[in-house]
Amino acid sequence: SYVLTQSPSVSVAPGKTATITCGGNNIGSKSVHWYQQKPGQAPVVVVHDDSDRPSGIPERFSGSNSGNTATLTISRVEAGDEADYYCQVWDSNSDHVVFGGGTKLTVL
Amino acid sequence: QVQLVESGGGLVKPGGSLRLSCAASGFTFRGYYMSWIRQAPGKGLEWLSYISSSSTTIYYADSVKGRFTISRDNGKNSLFLQMNSLRAEDSAVYYCARGATYGGNSHFDYWGQGTLVTVSS
Repeated sequence: SYVLTQSPSVSVAPGKTATITCGGNNIGSKSVHWYQQKPGQAPVVVVHDDSDRPSGIPERFSGSNSGNTATLTISRVEAGDEADYYCQVWDSNSDHVVFGGGTKLTVL
Repeated sequence: QVQLVESGGGLVKPGGSLRLSCAASGFTFRGYYMSWIRQAPGKGLEWLSYISSSSTTIYYADSVKGRFTISRDNGKNSLFLQMNSLRAEDSAVYYCARGATYGGNSHFDYWGQGTLVTVSS
């Protein structure tokens, strides 16, 4: 089955740029979606289809996808960005939705 | 506004059954694919099942295939998850989520608040 690999944690100072990666075999050929989840809340999509941002999501959130790595970039990080972030794809070989293990973003 | 409200969670003994419901409002329910996704305490998201708008296409994660059954009633704007032969490892918050576009490749643009299932003797 298809596996998505995320680093468990990323730390960044306020105002700096956070980079969260999602690794998968030839993930560049898939559409990648990213979710933000704060404690006690349901996930919220912040980037979909590699780099599209839903309305209401700040421009500070951006995504890219190529080769074996998809990346969520958060510019000018704020304290309110502290959350868990998950990547997600559709594996057409198994007809399964696949989530990455999640990355906890800590704002120092 | 779009709303998804899950219900039916609770405490159940190992081997028992539970039926979760998700009441949808604020959109044309019959036009959207829907999924169930769960999250065990302190763990990540796990997709469980997906049902097409007309129930003609259904997929399950290997972890629940043969034990869980997804269904929907478009006339009542409701999504269901029948869970049988429950195990301790099924303990989690269960979310229903709407697929934003056609097919499994879609992201989930709306989620419910979740309902907690605890499997314990």
